Amino acid sequence: EADIYQTPRYLVIGTGKKITLECSQTMGHDKMYWYQQDPGMELHLIHYSYGVNSTEKGDLSSESTVSRIRTEHFPLTLESARPSHTSQYLCASSPPERGAQYFGPGTRLTVT
Amino acid sequence: AQSVTQPDIHITVSEGASLELRCNYSYGATPYLFWYVQSPGQGLQLLLKYFSGDTLVQGIKGFEAEFKRSQSSFNLRKPSVHWSDAAEYFCAVGIGGYNKLIFGAGTRLAVHP
Repeated sequence: EADIYQTPRYLVIGTGKKITLECSQTMGHDKMYWYQQDPGMELHLIHYSYGVNSTEKGDLSSESTVSRIRTEHFPLTLESARPSHTSQYLCASSPPERGAQYFGPGTRLTVT
Repeated sequence: AQSVTQPDIHITVSEGASLELRCNYSYGATPYLFWYVQSPGQGLQLLLKYFSGDTLVQGIKGFEAEFKRSQSSFNLRKPSVHWSDAAEYFCAVGIGGYNKLIFGAGTRLAVHP
């Protein structure tokens, strides 16, 4: 299984602030993903990457942006946080061949 | 369009009872299917996966799932539930070359002592 880390685990921040959610994995997986999940709801893909310098938007429109400068690192940034961004954000990675995705513990974001 | 349906939003079982969680998918090609479990405030843990071959797959924590192509189903089962199995369970289908996953809405399992 992949070792995948997310920081911070919990974040409460005021409206208008810029935030970056960190995601790192140690398995050398090419593919990485960001999901948004509201409490008790399904996961929605907001960004994915199939390698360094590649990023794509997912199925759910999001005001966030991502970057992939290193294989192991896939940070997500919100330039100006709003209360509508309050949610849980889950990062995942998967190996080059078709396979399962492995998830980090998530970041629970609250924007006041 | 691809989709995953988990008909049961919430299920309650007694400890020691058997469990079956339903999952139906819609996907034109051969599906890659997964079951994940999520405890409160945590990420998702992979329980089991089906890519091809034997339609009955074994997973961790005593779970198994059976792929039935004719019914477009991938139901999760466990013969005897433990209190620690209380969690949210998500079925997912993998599509495309980028391993994109389409998730169902989840089934919340409660276990009575």
